Amino acid sequence: DTGVSQDPRHKITKRGQNVTFRCDPISEHNRLYWYRQTLGQGPEFLTYFQNEAQLEKSRLLSDRFSAERPKGSFSTLEIQRTEQGDSAMYLCASRSGFNSQSQYFGPGTRLLVL
Amino acid sequence: RKEVEQDPGPFNVPEGATVAFNCTYSNSASQSFFWYRQDCRKEPKLLMSVYSSGNEDGRFTAQLNRASQYISLLIRDSKLSDSATYLCVVKTNAGNMLTFGGGTRLMVKP
Repeated sequence: DTGVSQDPRHKITKRGQNVTFRCDPISEHNRLYWYRQTLGQGPEFLTYFQNEAQLEKSRLLSDRFSAERPKGSFSTLEIQRTEQGDSAMYLCASRSGFNSQSQYFGPGTRLLVL
Repeated sequence: RKEVEQDPGPFNVPEGATVAFNCTYSNSASQSFFWYRQDCRKEPKLLMSVYSSGNEDGRFTAQLNRASQYISLLIRDSKLSDSATYLCVVKTNAGNMLTFGGGTRLMVKP
């Protein structure tokens, strides 16, 4: 399967704990995006990388959230001191930089904060 | 007001029916438009891009009205497998993110 992969697929944690999610984009895609989706809503943009550079961050991305893409391939999203309001599906997407605006999504990581 | 607005539905239609979804967007700088499909508890998948002249892909037809900032999706001859949430998506050329509507839920019944 050469699509976007995410790990873990599900995570249950207690409030106050730190969690880290991983995204592996489609191999030739240099652009990577993180979104968050809550029940009944469309995905909301969190942050964007072009290669290893984080070029855009949403105001939704509080200081408890940090994302990295150290070698321009996989990316990690860390949430520190989780809160119940962080419970959501975290989606990663990637796209090629060549004449395509289409983003392809991974299966997501479903986070539940108790 | 949300940047991309959709009727959440659900739209309940019989197999074989024609159904249309509408979407409005508020940012006049939006330049790229898409419809994504999302099955329950799955990731969004690109259904089709929407071009200014309108475009068709099999049973699916998308239309864009830039003056009214309005996008539509028409599904003909609905199949049971079309049951899903349809997300209207816009993008400005200045930004890199996609802005999603809340989705319209379609249920096709036998």
